[in-house]
Amino acid sequence: DIQMTQSPSFLSASLGNSITITCHASQNIKGWLAWYQQKSGNAPELLIYKASSLQSGVPSRFSGSGSGTDYILTISNLQPEDIATYYCQHYQSFPLTFGSGTKLEIK
Amino acid sequence: EVQLVESGGGLVQPGRSLKLSCAASGFTFSNYYMAWVRQAPKKGLEWVATISTSGSRTYYPDSVKGRFTISRDNAKSSLYLQMNSLKSEDTATYYCARHFTVVLTWFAYWGQGTLVTVSS
Repeated sequence: DIQMTQSPSFLSASLGNSITITCHASQNIKGWLAWYQQKSGNAPELLIYKASSLQSGVPSRFSGSGSGTDYILTISNLQPEDIATYYCQHYQSFPLTFGSGTKLEIK
Repeated sequence: EVQLVESGGGLVQPGRSLKLSCAASGFTFSNYYMAWVRQAPKKGLEWVATISTSGSRTYYPDSVKGRFTISRDNAKSSLYLQMNSLKSEDTATYYCARHFTVVLTWFAYWGQGTLVTVSS
């Protein structure tokens, strides 16, 4: 099974700043990675797929990058509505697995 | 607009069974692989099952294999999850999710979830 190691677990940042969340896969997942945002009490929502493709309707301040085993989610110009927990997920093979999540707080 | 509405959750005793349903609308249900993903209270996300467009192929992680069965009724645009021999660790919110297209893809849409509590 492919393990997804996500860091940090918790992040506090100021409005207008940029943050990065990293996701490390235990083997090469060839860019088959998605990022999700989950706001408190809600279902997850897709942000990015294929490591760097932005889902329709997602603000351009969200971006993804990476290849092989290492991937990054960047949020620029942090807004109050970005308060959420973020998860990565690989889809290279079964079983599909998620990272453990990063909880983002606004200072 | 894609809509996925889960139902069937509730309180169930350990060792008993429960069947979840998901009503889909806003897209051609029979054209998409579908899945269930769960989230234990205050925990992360765990993929539970995926089913092919026709229902002929199903996929599960080891944690539920042999106990859970995913199925679908394309005529009713409905997805199901039969859960047997339930354990306390199966307590979670269960989300119905639509894959993008073919099986090995991301989850493009999610329902709001239904809570299953396994407790005596």
